[in-house]
Amino acid sequence: DGGITQSPKYLFRKEGQNVTLSCEQNLNHDAMYWYRQDPGQGLRLIYYSQIVNDFQKGDIAEGYSVSREKKESFPLTVTSAQKNPTAFYLCASSQLRDSFNEKLFFGSGTQLSVL
Amino acid sequence: AQKVTQAQTEISVVEKEDVTLDCVYETRDTTYYLFWYKQPPSGELVFLIRRNSFDEQNEISGRYSWNFQKSTSSFNFTITASQVVDSAVYFCALRPNDMRFGAGTRLTVKP
Repeated sequence: DGGITQSPKYLFRKEGQNVTLSCEQNLNHDAMYWYRQDPGQGLRLIYYSQIVNDFQKGDIAEGYSVSREKKESFPLTVTSAQKNPTAFYLCASSQLRDSFNEKLFFGSGTQLSVL
Repeated sequence: AQKVTQAQTEISVVEKEDVTLDCVYETRDTTYYLFWYKQPPSGELVFLIRRNSFDEQNEISGRYSWNFQKSTSSFNFTITASQVVDSAVYFCALRPNDMRFGAGTRLTVKP
């Protein structure tokens, strides 16, 4: 079945530690996205990528980094510079980013908590 | 600036009641798309509907219906005869470029 796979489902981070959230899609989509979900705040865009080896900052990129070495993979690293990382992280993809009628397909998310 | 407001944080209804989820948006773009997504307890957002800014026709899909009014910048979602399986968080979103989400409305349908 085609879809987006996020792993792990739950992740714990110690202070000062970097952690990486995995996102893989087999939908052959060009664009991929990372969103952060906090209670009562909806989804906020962290980073997005339209093409391999290229990505752009979203609204809340500070303390995060990404890579897009393969079309199907878009891992997110939460660095120690992110002082409030506890949140639910959602990865999404779409056929084309700049075609604004394109709907997003979402993974099932990763809950990150700080120890 | 683009903004989506879902003023209802939580709604609780009893099964078979009708319920309307409100969505108000702001944008300076003349061409845009509006979306509704459902987030069940599993966490994955599921696409429900997409509507472009030039099409103000209301839409009905089974127990779901959507009312788009450009004059009031609203795109409200009604569930008729609600069921327990409708319990979820519902997000309204706006897309002139990046997808902008509202804060979501948590709907609880009690048996």
